[in-house]
Amino acid sequence: GAVVSQHPSWVICKSGTSVKIECRSLDFQATTMFWYRQFPKQSLMLMATSNEGSKATYEQGVEKDKFLINHASLTLSTLTVTSAHPEDSSFYICSARDGLMNTEAFFGQGTRLTVV
Amino acid sequence: GIQVEQSPPDLILQEGANSTLRCNFSDSVNNLQWFHQNPWGQLINLFYIPSGTKQNGRLSATTVATERYSLLYISSSQTTDSGVYFCAVDAGGGADGLTFGKGTHLIIQP
Repeated sequence: GAVVSQHPSWVICKSGTSVKIECRSLDFQATTMFWYRQFPKQSLMLMATSNEGSKATYEQGVEKDKFLINHASLTLSTLTVTSAHPEDSSFYICSARDGLMNTEAFFGQGTRLTVV
Repeated sequence: GIQVEQSPPDLILQEGANSTLRCNFSDSVNNLQWFHQNPWGQLINLFYIPSGTKQNGRLSATTVATERYSLLYISSSQTTDSGVYFCAVDAGGGADGLTFGKGTHLIIQP
């Protein structure tokens, strides 16, 4: 299957600082990538859809000024958590599809963010 | 939006047992996938199965799209099968993200 790589795997940052998470499609091009968040013992929730060359679309309740998304190329999307606070501590995971419609989604390894 | 319900929420079995996990969804879907989340959080793709039946080793899955449900079968369970199994669907096209169920937490005891 297609490979999606996410970096870093884990990060600890101080409250008030910003953290950038990278998501790369290694062996295919992805015009659209997706960012999810998972709190402990809960399911994955879609946060936003990252569109190459255009603005991201955010799910209801997700602050676009706090979670900045940049999709600068067909193989890279980044999520920046700005002015992080302890309540932003979570597992963030990205996804991409190899193809345009109705194809299998593959996920990165995820990033565990802890804000202290 | 589309609703996804998984059952049972928790399942404890002895090694060697068989199990059936269920996923119900509230609307027509273009994509349905089953995942296994390992202890490190990574999602392992098990099946991409918007309809029909597929098998991969000890695992198999069936989706009856007209009745809006999917089943994941695990036979001869091993301790390494433990973890959380998620069903996720996409009611739109490739531009939509997946909607996940709450998962089934499976524990296989030796």
